[in-house]
Amino acid sequence: QQQVRQSPQSLTVWEGETAILNCSYEDSTFNYFPWYQQFPGEGPALLISIRSVSDKKEDGRFTIFFNKREKKLSLHITDSQPGDSATYFCAASANYGNEKITFGAGTKLTIKP
Amino acid sequence: DPKIIQKPKYLVAVTGSEKILICEQYLGHNAMYWYRQSAKKPLEFMFSYSYQKLMDNQTASSRFQPQSSKKNHLDLQITALKPDDSATYFCASSHPRGGRGAEQFFGPGTRLTVL
Repeated sequence: QQQVRQSPQSLTVWEGETAILNCSYEDSTFNYFPWYQQFPGEGPALLISIRSVSDKKEDGRFTIFFNKREKKLSLHITDSQPGDSATYFCAASANYGNEKITFGAGTKLTIKP
Repeated sequence: DPKIIQKPKYLVAVTGSEKILICEQYLGHNAMYWYRQSAKKPLEFMFSYSYQKLMDNQTASSRFQPQSSKKNHLDLQITALKPDDSATYFCASSHPRGGRGAEQFFGPGTRLTVL
């Protein structure tokens, strides 16, 4: 059973548009949700994270929207740039991240100039 | 300077052999982790260590053995290698349970191919 689901599997948007990446989870004990960005041949890099006590977290062009009741969250990337082209992983953890992280399968984002 | 070093970057092994994947972190963290990423599965948690003690093991096989010789080292020994072990192995680190921050930082990975 996949604990963290992501959609779509791949997404293409034009430069300057907003990309929306979706994520849902099963385990009610999850309370920490990091998003990681991964470029080919590199390790995942922490992009932005949110704790379940918040419903929104913003960092520059990246915003997480979190709906605890529906167990859903989304990552919005505004003013998308070609350099944002990467695979984005939604992840979840209990104990505010101080233990194993469960990853989704990822969304491959392509930004067309 | 890289904060998490993984060596080697690429590794080719024959079925049945044994290899050790090296991980060193210079972030001052006391918790370290191993994850695996393959074409068939998303990033998958394997082990977590805190202050050089095993905290969690989600690996079904005893062929995978972490080794922590220093608090900023967590190597991964894999014995009796199988083609299914082919994957990229990532080391990560964070402040431990109850520490200042929960964020886990990942190394660049070791890509293992078993022939």
